[in-house]
Amino acid sequence: SQELEQSPQSLIVQEGKNLTINCTSSKTLYGLYWYKQKYGEGLIFLMMLQKGGEEKSHEKITAKLDEKKQQSSLHITASQPSHAGIYLCGAAIQGAQKLVFGQGTRLTINP
Amino acid sequence: GAVVSQHPSWVICKSGTSVKIECRSLDFQATTMFWYRQFPKQSLMLMATSNEGSKATYEQGVEKDKFLINHASLTLSTLTVTSAHPEDSSFYICSATKGGNTIYFGEGSWLTVV
Repeated sequence: SQELEQSPQSLIVQEGKNLTINCTSSKTLYGLYWYKQKYGEGLIFLMMLQKGGEEKSHEKITAKLDEKKQQSSLHITASQPSHAGIYLCGAAIQGAQKLVFGQGTRLTINP
Repeated sequence: GAVVSQHPSWVICKSGTSVKIECRSLDFQATTMFWYRQFPKQSLMLMATSNEGSKATYEQGVEKDKFLINHASLTLSTLTVTSAHPEDSSFYICSATKGGNTIYFGEGSWLTVV
């Protein structure tokens, strides 16, 4: 079965600083999803990556999928308090629409 | 606005009773929906795939008689936790695809069994 490992599990950064969250898969990724969650609430879709080397950006968040399609990174530039939350990466199982998730990264932004 | 909606957001039930959670796709039809469960400070675990007009497909270790799934229409899937016990208390969340590769999640439902 496919497993996703996220690092770090917890991250505290000063407002305005850049940060990176990594997601490593035990198998080749056929679709890698990034979501943001405030604990106990729904998931907010951020980005979806499919192709090796693909990179997408939305506002100050950039996500990349490596050429081998086994690792993805999420980079936030000039972090703001609104970026605080839990970031989850999810891998599409067998190319289907159901996902297996990493354990999440809890991001705290200090003013 | 929300693309997938869940109801209720919060529910408290007595041990031994059953409780139903609804997942609706808004302004689109979803032949397939997915149900996940999230324990405190843990990630989401896929429970089952809800198929419109047919039986749900359960992940290994998930009791199908405990977690009844009904996908009676193209916009509604329901998860019924039968004979609920305190260990069933959790955050339950559903997802659906509107089309393409984007997977949308509902707001989630908190279940507390007392």
